[in-house]
Amino acid sequence: QKEVEQNSGPLSVPEGAIASLNCTYSDRGSQSFFWYRQYSGKSPELIMSIYSNGDKEDGRFTAQLNKASQYVSLLIRDSQPSDSATYLCALEQTAASKLTFGTGTRLQVTL
Amino acid sequence: DGGITQSPKYLFRKEGQNVTLSCEQNLNHDAMYWYRQDPGQGLRLIYYSQIVNDFQKGDIAEGYSVSREKKESFPLTVTSAQKNPTAFYLCASSTSGGPTATQYFGPGTRLTVL
Repeated sequence: QKEVEQNSGPLSVPEGAIASLNCTYSDRGSQSFFWYRQYSGKSPELIMSIYSNGDKEDGRFTAQLNKASQYVSLLIRDSQPSDSATYLCALEQTAASKLTFGTGTRLQVTL
Repeated sequence: DGGITQSPKYLFRKEGQNVTLSCEQNLNHDAMYWYRQDPGQGLRLIYYSQIVNDFQKGDIAEGYSVSREKKESFPLTVTSAQKNPTAFYLCASSTSGGPTATQYFGPGTRLTVL
C-alpha cells in the first residue's frame, strides 16, 4: 500500500458544481495534513492545512479529516475554470520532520 | 518581498557534467527541502536541512549533494552519478522541521539532460 494515495483523475466537474478530492493514507500516526494546488509547469501552492478531525473551511475550500478511517478530503464549492489544476495531498508521518506527497488528482472544471 | 527564489529557471546539462541549482529564501525559515518531480508524479524528497550546517538524506538522495552553510541558502548539486536527472526540481522552506510546519515552495528549476 502506498503511503499516500490519490486518484490521478482527471476529475471533471461543471462550472459552479462541487469538486470532491480524496486522499487516503497508511500511517495512523500522521498528525498534519496539507492540500496543495499545482498549475501545469508551476510550483505547488498551499490551499489548506488541517490537523484535527472534522471540517475546516476557508472561503470556497473545505478540508475534511477522518483519522479513524485514514482519509482526508478537499471540497471546492462553486468550482471555477481557474480551479483547474492538480491537487496534491501531503502529510507529515509519525516522528518525521518531512512531508510525504501523493501523486495528485487532476481537476478539470468545464464551462 | 519575502519569498523563495530558485535559479536558473531552465538548465541544460550534458551527460557527465555536475550542475548546481540555487535556492535562496528570505523568510527566516530554519528548514529547507529539495524535491524532484517527474511528469505525472508526486514530489519525492531528495535532501532536507533543519538547521545550518546539518542536513539529512531524503528518499532519493543518490546522485545528489547539498550544503547548508547559511540559513538563507540550500544549493543542490546534481552529479554525474545521477543516472536520470531530467526533472522539475523544487526547493521549499518552513519555519521549523517539527510537526505542523507548513512548507512553501520556490518557482522551481527544470533540468534537462542533453
